[in-house]
Amino acid sequence: KAGVTQTPRYLIKTRGQQVTLSCSPISGHRSVSWYQQTPGQGLQFLFEYFSETQRNKGNFPGRFSGRQFSNSRSEMNVSTLELGDSALYLCASSLEVGETQYFGPGTRLLVL
Amino acid sequence: QQQVKQSPQSLIVQKGGIPIINCAYENTAFDYFPWYQQFPGKGPALLIAIRPDVSEKKEGRFTISFNKSAKQFSLHIMDSQPGDSATYFCAASGGAGGTSYGKLTFGQGTILTVHP
Repeated sequence: KAGVTQTPRYLIKTRGQQVTLSCSPISGHRSVSWYQQTPGQGLQFLFEYFSETQRNKGNFPGRFSGRQFSNSRSEMNVSTLELGDSALYLCASSLEVGETQYFGPGTRLLVL
Repeated sequence: QQQVKQSPQSLIVQKGGIPIINCAYENTAFDYFPWYQQFPGKGPALLIAIRPDVSEKKEGRFTISFNKSAKQFSLHIMDSQPGDSATYFCAASGGAGGTSYGKLTFGQGTILTVHP
């Protein structure tokens, strides 16, 4: 069974731009969570989706948003990029809410 | 109250040694405690997980010890190998009514180096 896939793997943007990251969960998994990983703050929870509904949101500004589609694929969007948004963005999927989360390889975003 | 504190930040052991990584939490609603291993350029991979109804869980060379009263849990790696060199993260989730099960709160990570 294929694992969690994330596209693109690498991205370079400039301040003020917006970016959309994509995540395809493991087949059959219905829950998707997003995390931001930086050297300074570590792994921080962004949001969690289940059945196209956001169940939980972390402490990030409104510039960070996401959605989930009927096929469980998810996207996250960051608008008005700031230098501090440079990070590895990880997507994790699980069969159901509360089940083991399996992570993708991440999208590394660099904001110049 | 949502924090998970992990120590040490880094750890160096010789091959065959038993590195121990510790985590402490504050939120008594947490009831799921996984450990993840991350290699450079990769996403975290689940190693082993425990729930508070048991005090110890072993899978292969990896053992979690859990102390509910102290709100602490630790990872032991038996017979460590150079291939175990990676960053290890503890995490926790759970909440009243299951509202936060999908939200993992991570420790800061431990960089483990196993010398041949």
